[in-house]
Amino acid sequence: ETGVTQSPTHLIKTRGQQVTLRCSSQSGHNTVSWYQQALGQGPQFIFQYYREEENGRGNFPPRFSGLQFPNYSSELNVNALELDDSALYLCASSLLAGDEQYFGPGTRLTVT
Amino acid sequence: DQQVKQNSPSLSVQEGRISILNCDYTNSMFDYFLWYKKYPAEGPTFLISISSIKDKNEDGRFTVFLNKSAKHLSLHIVPSQPGDSAVYFCAAKRGSTLGRLYFGRGTQLTVWP
Repeated sequence: ETGVTQSPTHLIKTRGQQVTLRCSSQSGHNTVSWYQQALGQGPQFIFQYYREEENGRGNFPPRFSGLQFPNYSSELNVNALELDDSALYLCASSLLAGDEQYFGPGTRLTVT
Repeated sequence: DQQVKQNSPSLSVQEGRISILNCDYTNSMFDYFLWYKKYPAEGPTFLISISSIKDKNEDGRFTVFLNKSAKHLSLHIVPSQPGDSAVYFCAAKRGSTLGRLYFGRGTQLTVWP
């Protein structure tokens, strides 16, 4: 059974640029959630996708957007990057929207 | 607004002794609580959970206690082992169908021989 995978592992971008992060869910899971973990903080919920539809969103601006594909993999897109967007971005999948979440290793984004 | 709080950023315990990690929450709508463990360069791993209808849940060396009136939960690890050294996150959610987890800032546990 393959766990949750994320790509890339690390990424460096310049302020104002756009970035796309990718996540492959654990086999059989149809729900994916994205979290941002800034340095010294706990993960903060960005949004969740269930069967390709957004199923809840945290307190993040519209420049954070997402997609879930028919194979349940997912993308997180961030436009107009700001320095404060530097963080570890975690993806988590679950069998159903309210079930236990399994996390990937994360993508470390640095904005300079 | 931090709805889940872990006020101790670090805890150091000798191998074989008990580790107690604490967590407080402010939202009375939370009805399910979880503990995650995180090693460097890995994602958080689910450890143990408790529903608000219970006050204790045990799994091997790990026990979680919930005090709803105090809005407080704690994770006990007995006996502590060096492999337990990691960051521990307390998390909470409300409703069985909603997936959003609210995390604390984490506590770095170090277990020394």
